[in-house]
Amino acid sequence: GIQVEQSPPDLILQEGANSTLRCNFSDSVNNLQWFHQNPWGQLINLFYIPSGTKQNGRLSATTVATERYSLLYISSSQTTDSGVYFCAVRLNTNAGKSTFGDGTTLTVKP
Amino acid sequence: NAGVTQTPKFQVLKTGQSMTLQCAQDMNHNSMYWYRQDPGMGLRLIYYSASEGTTDKGEVPNGYNVSRLNKREFSLRLESAAPSQTSVYFCASSESGIALYNEQFFGPGTRLTVL
Repeated sequence: GIQVEQSPPDLILQEGANSTLRCNFSDSVNNLQWFHQNPWGQLINLFYIPSGTKQNGRLSATTVATERYSLLYISSSQTTDSGVYFCAVRLNTNAGKSTFGDGTTLTVKP
Repeated sequence: NAGVTQTPKFQVLKTGQSMTLQCAQDMNHNSMYWYRQDPGMGLRLIYYSASEGTTDKGEVPNGYNVSRLNKREFSLRLESAAPSQTSVYFCASSESGIALYNEQFFGPGTRLTVL
């Protein structure tokens, strides 16, 4: 099956710093999402981004499907950004099944 | 518009007991999914239902059964719970599993402990 690797596994930032999270995948995909899992366990949709670039406030994401990676940018980080960030991909040939990476755990210190 | 709801929020079982996790969505989505999340890991797909009346196995289906009761509801049953099934269970839905361009929305999760 498809392999999804996220890096770095852990990231500690000072409030106000910027960061880039990466998601590499091993096969062609046409469906990619970024999620934030907050400290209470809730999964929050950040971006649906199978290709191209999107921005939402301090967050933006870029997916280069032909090179099999996606990047999530967090600017001016805040303590509320802490949690785990997951990317999930779906293969071109498989409409139903998403594969998640193991996540990047972000800790933003005040 | 509640989105995706799950019941119960927490459950403790003894080994060998059975239970059903309930999931409902009010977004008129065709596809629904059950995932489990173990500590320090991403989500793994247990079963999914691309449309009403159909179900299919995901990555880790052993020890589970599912029922797509109607378009809104998708339940997950543990017939004989085992400690290895201690996990957080998430239900999700998306507009269509057949149309390739759609995003998944998740419920709040059920934290299950099997003693």
